Amino acid sequence: EDKVVQSPLSLVVHEGDTVTLNCSYEVTNFRSLLWYKQEKKAPTFLFMLTSSGIEKKSGRLSSILDNKELFSILNITATQTGDSAVYLCAVESDSWGKLQFGAGTQVVVTP
Amino acid sequence: NAGVMQNPRHLVRRRGQEARLRCSPMKGHSHVYWYRQLPEEGLKFMVYLQKENIIDESGMPKERFSAEFPKEGPSILRIQQVVRGDSAAYFCASSPLVNSPLHFGNGTRLTVT
Repeated sequence: EDKVVQSPLSLVVHEGDTVTLNCSYEVTNFRSLLWYKQEKKAPTFLFMLTSSGIEKKSGRLSSILDNKELFSILNITATQTGDSAVYLCAVESDSWGKLQFGAGTQVVVTP
Repeated sequence: NAGVMQNPRHLVRRRGQEARLRCSPMKGHSHVYWYRQLPEEGLKFMVYLQKENIIDESGMPKERFSAEFPKEGPSILRIQQVVRGDSAAYFCASSPLVNSPLHFGNGTRLTVT
């Protein structure tokens, strides 16, 4: 059975710290891995990764995929209180748009 | 440049009533997806539609649930004879192409009393 596992489930950091979120997966017919940020409403798209070893970067956020070891990491540097959210990892496998989500990592950034 | 629009934001229904959830995709997006987020659980795929066609409904419960995306107008997720277990947040997402990221709406929170 396909599965997507995120770790840790939650963490609390101080402003300015760096966080690393993990997502491991076991799926058939891997197509892509996506990261979303959810703050009580719509999950907001962050990254879509299809190729192993290529880092994607957007401001203080970056992500990379290893599709041999079947995991991805999301890094947030110089965290701010506005980074507090649940970060969701999702894998697209069987068919386009059919995402399997992990349980999410809740990040709390304290001032 | 409006995002994915869902309404209503909150919907309360008594057991046995019908719930209709609406979703207007982003402009230029012809692919619509419905996901459900049960309390304390992750997002689960329900159905994928293109204009007038259901492409994949493998995540939809076999009974009481239906979805459509007509040629004109929003996509509708319909739940007949709701039960308490249907209480959840229902998210709609859209994309312009099959291999592009999904963009989610703010969801409809359904409460069944």
